[in-house]
Formats: sequence, structure tokens, C-alpha cells
Amino acid sequence: AQSVTQPDIHITVSEGASLELRCNYSYGATPYLFWYVQSPGQGLQLLLKYFSGDTLVQGIKGFEAEFKRSQSSFNLRKPSVHWSDAAEYFCAVGAADSWGKLQFGAGTQVVVTP
Amino acid sequence: NAGVTQTPKFRVLKTGQSMTLLCAQDMNHEYMYWYRQDPGMGLRLIHYSVGEGTTAKGEVPDGYNVSRLKKQNFLLGLESAAPSQTSVYFCASSYSWDRSSYEQYFGPGTRLTVT
Repeated sequence: AQSVTQPDIHITVSEGASLELRCNYSYGATPYLFWYVQSPGQGLQLLLKYFSGDTLVQGIKGFEAEFKRSQSSFNLRKPSVHWSDAAEYFCAVGAADSWGKLQFGAGTQVVVTP
Repeated sequence: NAGVTQTPKFRVLKTGQSMTLLCAQDMNHEYMYWYRQDPGMGLRLIHYSVGEGTTAKGEVPDGYNVSRLKKQNFLLGLESAAPSQTSVYFCASSYSWDRSSYEQYFGPGTRLTVT
């Protein structure tokens, strides 16, 4: 069965500093990988996705993620965070031919300090 | 274009009461999903539907029922609410073709408290 682990429950970062959120997955074949963001009191919004091909993917709001098969990881990065990036971030994995179903990680809460 | 909407936004129930949560989407999506979100557990899939008139169980279906009588609506029912069902419930939808089915669009959520 597939699973997703986000090792960091909570991260505090200064505005303007870089951010990296970790995501590890467990899946036999090549997974479909996603990062979603949830602002307070809101639903989830898709930041970026990986299906195949180039292992570095670009998303919205200046985020990028890198798929590393050897490490079973799909870490999210942003070079310089803005106060509006304070939110909860979820990594998710899907398997081919599974009706679009996703398995979500527990989430990482990001706090941005001035 | 409202996207995915959920009704109600908040609800408080007493143990044993029943209620129905409504999810509506105006994007002509074939697939729809119900999740619950609990602290430290991410989102867990309750039930899903791959088309009008079809439903299937997800990871945590016990205590819930669903119906998809119209393509644009997906209803989640609690027949006899329990305190363990206190949670935030999210509905999502997606297209059905190939990899687009994995790009889910989420509603704003319903916060349910069972006392």
C-alpha cells in the first residue's frame, strides 16, 4: 500500500529566507506526486504535480519540487518566502489507474516571521 | 464559475442526530470525493464517486453514507452522529481522463462538531 510521510509537523522561517519541506513516499511503481497548500480556513489548492519526465517541477507562487527516486522523496522548495506563504502544506501520492484517489501526508504547518 | 461549494459551513450536532452535507461542483467533473481532516492526520478519504449513480468506499467509510444522484452533486450522510465524527469535511472533484483525474479541486470545507 502506498503511504506518504512528512517528517516536519511545524516549520518556522523568516520572511525572505528559503524554505524546504520534506516528503517521503512508499510505493512500488512510479507514483504520481503532488503538493497542496491550505491557507487558514480554506480548502486545498494544488501547488504542483509530478507524473513523469523532468524530475524538477515548477508550480505556482514560486514553488518548485524535485522528485528523487533513489530517496523516495519529493521535497518542496521556495527560494524566498513571503508572509503570505504561511499555511499548511500537504504532500500527496496517487497510483495509476486508481480513479484519481490520493493518499495525503499529515501536513507541515509553516509559520513566517518578520 | 463557483467551483466546488459545500453546505453548510458549520454545524453542531448532538450524538445520535443525523445530517447531510452537500457538495456541488459546476465544472462538469466526473469524479468526486469526500475527505475528513483531523489534526496530525492529513486528509483521509471517506467515499468517492466516479460518475453519476456510482459510489465507492474509501479509507474510512464507517458511519457515513453517500449518494450521487446528479453529476454535479455529491451528498455525505451521517445517520447517527458520534463524537468521533467531529472533524472538518472536504469535498473535491476532478476530471476523469487520464492524469487529470488526480488534479483535485477542493471546496472550502464544513466544520462539524458532535457533542
